[in-house]
Amino acid sequence: GNSVTQMEGPVTLSEEAFLTINCTYTATGYPSLFWYVQYPGEGLQLLLKATKADDKGSNKGFEATYRKETTSFHLEKGSVQVSDSAVYFCALTSSWGAQKLVFGQGTRLTINP
Amino acid sequence: DVKVTQSSRYLVKRTGEKVFLECVQDMDHENMFWYRQDPGLGLRLIYFSYDVKMKEKGDIPEGYSVSREKKERFSLILESASTNQTSMYLCASRPPGLSNNEQFFGPGTRLTVL
Repeated sequence: GNSVTQMEGPVTLSEEAFLTINCTYTATGYPSLFWYVQYPGEGLQLLLKATKADDKGSNKGFEATYRKETTSFHLEKGSVQVSDSAVYFCALTSSWGAQKLVFGQGTRLTINP
Repeated sequence: DVKVTQSSRYLVKRTGEKVFLECVQDMDHENMFWYRQDPGLGLRLIYFSYDVKMKEKGDIPEGYSVSREKKERFSLILESASTNQTSMYLCASRPPGLSNNEQFFGPGTRLTVL
């Protein structure tokens, strides 16, 4: 079945540091890939997505590239801010049927000033 | 703006009680989902519905049921709450069609079963 594996957290960085959160997946067919973010006390929000190989999703300074050859969708940001502190979830959905989301375990990110 | 609301942010219940968690969306979406979120496990799908009165089991349906009597409302029911159902519950909805695969989430209900 489909599955997503994220790097384990928690991750703690200083402001303006470079961020990478690794995500790899196993899926049949051609899934769509997502990063969702959950700020403290809130539900999940879509951060970015990519629907086919080599697509790059980007939003709020975050980027991730759909790499089919390495089955990866790593999240990066060049200079993090305190306001980026949140839990980040990598997820995929199949390209057919009910398109259920399959999530990774989440990575808690804390940015210190 | 897209809006998914959940009836309670925090809920405390006793073992054996019947518990209803309500979710309402105002986007006329066909598809609705219930997940539970636990530390280290991410989100796991409990049930989903792709139309009124239609439902399908997700990955962890045991101990839960659902109801979808109206398009905008999707209820999760714990028939007899147990302590291992203490968790954060998240509802989501999605528009129809294969190209619209983003899910929109509610704020979550943190349920504690004593």
